[in-house]
Amino acid sequence: NAGVTQTPKFRVLKTGQSMTLLCAQDMNHEYMYWYRQDPGMGLRLIHYSVGEGTTAKGEVPDGYNVSRLKKQNFLLGLESAAPSQTSVYFCASMGEGYTEAFFGQGTRLTVV
Amino acid sequence: KQEVTQIPAALSVPEGENLVLNCSFTDSAIYNLQWFRQDPGKGLTSLLLIQSSQREQTSGRLNASLDKSSGRSTLYIAASQPGDSATYLCAVSRYAGNNRKLIWGLGTSLAVNP
Repeated sequence: NAGVTQTPKFRVLKTGQSMTLLCAQDMNHEYMYWYRQDPGMGLRLIHYSVGEGTTAKGEVPDGYNVSRLKKQNFLLGLESAAPSQTSVYFCASMGEGYTEAFFGQGTRLTVV
Repeated sequence: KQEVTQIPAALSVPEGENLVLNCSFTDSAIYNLQWFRQDPGKGLTSLLLIQSSQREQTSGRLNASLDKSSGRSTLYIAASQPGDSATYLCAVSRYAGNNRKLIWGLGTSLAVNP
C-alpha cells in the first residue's frame, strides 16, 4: 500500500551541484507531476508526464529536466543547482477517468 | 484562464465549532474538484473528490459541496478538533490537450484551539 514514494526526503546541495529526485508510484497511473511549493506561492507545476516515455513543461520548468522511462517512475533532475531552487518538491500521480490525485511526502531541498 | 481562490487564508477557532472553508474558481468547465489536507512538513492527503456532475461528497465529519454555476465549493468541518489543525487546499481538474491539469488555491491555514 505504498502509493507515491519520493526519495530522498531531505538534501542539501552546493550551488552548481547536480542531483536527481526519484518518484515511484505503484498504482499504474498514467499521469505524473512534479511540483515545487514555496511560501506564499502555492504549488507550481514544474514538469509533467501523460504516459511512459512522454514529458512536458509546466509553469516553471527552467533549470529542471525530467524523464519517464518506466511508467511507475518519474525522475526530476537539477543539472546545476541554484539557491533559487531551494524549495519543497512534491510528486503526484493520477489515473484515467474520475480518479483523485495522490502525493508523495515531499523532498526538502536546500541549495547553499 | 482558470484561477482558484481560497478564503479565508487563515482561520483560528475553538474546539467543537462547526466551520466552513471556501474555494472559488473562475471557469466552470471543470472535470472535478478535490480537497486536500497538508500537515506542516508533510505531503498532501486527499480528503474528498467531487465530480463535476455531483453536488456534494461526505466523509465522516467532512462535507464538501460543489456549485459549478457559481464557481464555488465549500468544505464543512463538523465539531472541529485540535487534530484538524492543518492547511486545507482545493484544486480543480480540467483537461488541457492530453493532460489533466490541476489548478490550485493557496490554501486555508486552520488552527483549532483546545
